[in-house]
Amino acid sequence: ETGVTQTPRHLVMGMTNKKSLKCEQHLGHNAMYWYKQSAKKPLELMFVYNFKEQTENNSVPSRFSPECPNSSHLFLHLHTLQPEDSALYLCASSRGLAGGSTDTQYFGPGTRLTVL
Amino acid sequence: DQQVKQNSPSLSVQEGRISILNCDYTNSMFDYFLWYKKYPAEGPTFLISISSIKDKNEDGRFTVFLNKSAKHLSLHIVPSQPGDSAVYFCAASARSGGSNYKLTFGKGTLLTVNP
Repeated sequence: ETGVTQTPRHLVMGMTNKKSLKCEQHLGHNAMYWYKQSAKKPLELMFVYNFKEQTENNSVPSRFSPECPNSSHLFLHLHTLQPEDSALYLCASSRGLAGGSTDTQYFGPGTRLTVL
Repeated sequence: DQQVKQNSPSLSVQEGRISILNCDYTNSMFDYFLWYKKYPAEGPTFLISISSIKDKNEDGRFTVFLNKSAKHLSLHIVPSQPGDSAVYFCAASARSGGSNYKLTFGKGTLLTVNP
């Protein structure tokens, strides 16, 4: 138990559906992240939020829309996805963005997304 | 272009022996390195890290070695236990450019420790 929860754990959706992934952290952290892990590929950073403000969008297609209403919650809204978007989506949080030994990232269990 | 490479997709060792997981990187700006461990159906959990000013960091059964000239790091687990069976990810970050939180991950190595 890392203190970062994600729901749902599994999601199957059609290409015309709209769905949302939710992440919540109970660690009092200020920074939150979305990562994508596709089969046989490394984890890829998608978005970073610090104190609710987006600080990073790693050239992610607009069919992925993040939302961070407060430092404890992060959403990823999905619409008109493609089958190649099927992947494990991981949320992480850290105390801040200093990186290094100061701000280790803690991951949630992930949402396994399948787009039909 | 993969900047962090874990060339062994899998490794199998006997319980009680040493496990050595390897990681190579190409970006000379990386100055902080981490190892994460991932069990099935769970997210990666932080295991151990090392700064580029050191060449070794030890935490219990886990030791990370860094060879900057070779751009290589390794994770040693001694003695290996069946509960260590998991996927191990190497990650790196660079302090320069104000984006030191950005972790670049390898593809992972599946470690299996046999009883």
